[in-house]
Amino acid sequence: QVQLQESGPGLVKPSQTLSLTCTVSGGSITSGGYFWSWIRQYPGKGLEWIGNIHYRGSTYYNPSLKSRLTISLDTSKNQFSLKLSSVTAADTAVYYCARVGTVSAPFDIWGQGTMVTVSS
Amino acid sequence: DIQMTQSPSSVSASVGDRVTITCRASQDISTWLAWYQQKPGKAPKLLIYGASSLQGGVPSRFSGSGSGTDFTLSISSLQPEDFATYYCQQGKSFPLTFGQGTKVGIK
Repeated sequence: QVQLQESGPGLVKPSQTLSLTCTVSGGSITSGGYFWSWIRQYPGKGLEWIGNIHYRGSTYYNPSLKSRLTISLDTSKNQFSLKLSSVTAADTAVYYCARVGTVSAPFDIWGQGTMVTVSS
Repeated sequence: DIQMTQSPSSVSASVGDRVTITCRASQDISTWLAWYQQKPGKAPKLLIYGASSLQGGVPSRFSGSGSGTDFTLSISSLQPEDFATYYCQQGKSFPLTFGQGTKVGIK
């Protein structure tokens, strides 16, 4: 079955760029016509959708992050990636990658999540 | 943005109880609604999509209903493994948004 795994630094300095990668296993990132997504969860609870990318490369970003955000795809490695620039402490969160299902767009498969702390 | 408001924020219940959680959207989202269960330290798990369709492998004691702006998640007979936090999420329009969560705790 399809599984997702996030990877990347757990600590990022303020003003730097946060970079994470999600590796998809058990299936091709280009099959099924799925969107792939990044979501974050702040300490304490709230979930925030960051953005989606389609296997053909089209992207949809949260307007609140759009100016700092890039989501890209590497089909040769079966991976998709997140880059968030000019980070502050407010970007400290658990970051999840997820697959977007085809009926009513739920997040049907999630990675385990990776904690990213922004601190000097 | 579409705001998703869940109630209650928390509920205390006993094993065997019926629990109902509500989610209200700030505008019509038809049936573009999903429900998730999250346990501490784990990723959310999809329970319901399309407002009322049960995700594969999810026990039938979970059910969802509603359309438009008002939705409910029901657990017919609460089991020990159901104590968790539950979130709703709309998939109708960008930005995709979540409710603030409802914690189901032990009475």
